[in-house]
Amino acid sequence: GNSVTQMEGPVTLSEEAFLTINCTYTATGYPSLFWYVQYPGEGLQLLLKATKADDKGSNKGFEATYRKETTSFHLEKGSVQVSDSAVYFCALSDRTGFQKLVFGTGTRLLVSP
Amino acid sequence: NAGVTQTPKFQVLKTGQSMTLQCAQDMNHEYMSWYRQDPGMGLRLIHYSVGAGITDQGEVPNGYNVSRSTTEDFPLRLLSAAPSQTSVYFCASREPGSRTDTQYFGPGTRLTVL
Repeated sequence: GNSVTQMEGPVTLSEEAFLTINCTYTATGYPSLFWYVQYPGEGLQLLLKATKADDKGSNKGFEATYRKETTSFHLEKGSVQVSDSAVYFCALSDRTGFQKLVFGTGTRLLVSP
Repeated sequence: NAGVTQTPKFQVLKTGQSMTLQCAQDMNHEYMSWYRQDPGMGLRLIHYSVGAGITDQGEVPNGYNVSRSTTEDFPLRLLSAAPSQTSVYFCASREPGSRTDTQYFGPGTRLTVL
């Protein structure tokens, strides 16, 4: 079945550092790929998505590129802020029917001033 | 426009008790779903619905019931709570084929079963 593997956290960075959170997936067919963010005490919010190979999703300075050859969708940001501290989830969905989301285990990011 | 709302925010139950987690959305979305979030396991789909009167099982449906009598509401029922159901529960909604076609999540219900 479909699955998502992402790096364990926490990831601890200083403000303005470069961020990479790795995500790889296993899926049949051509899934859509997502990054969700969860701030403390809140639900998940869509951060960015990509629906086909070589697509780049971007939002709020975060980027991720759909790499079919390496089955990866790594999240990057050039300069993190304290306000980026949150849990980040990589996810995929198939393209048929309900398009169920399959999530990775989440990576906690802690950014210090 | 409140989006997806969930009640209660916190709940403590004893083993064997029953309760209903409420979920409502005011965006007229056809699709709704329930997920549970456990440490180290990400979110897992419990049940989902593609419209009023239509529900189906997700990855971890045992011990939970759902119904969808209206487009707006999608309650999750625990008939006989067990400690293994201690978790954070999220409801989500989505309008398929819309311009954004994005899942909107509620703020969650933290449930503890003693």
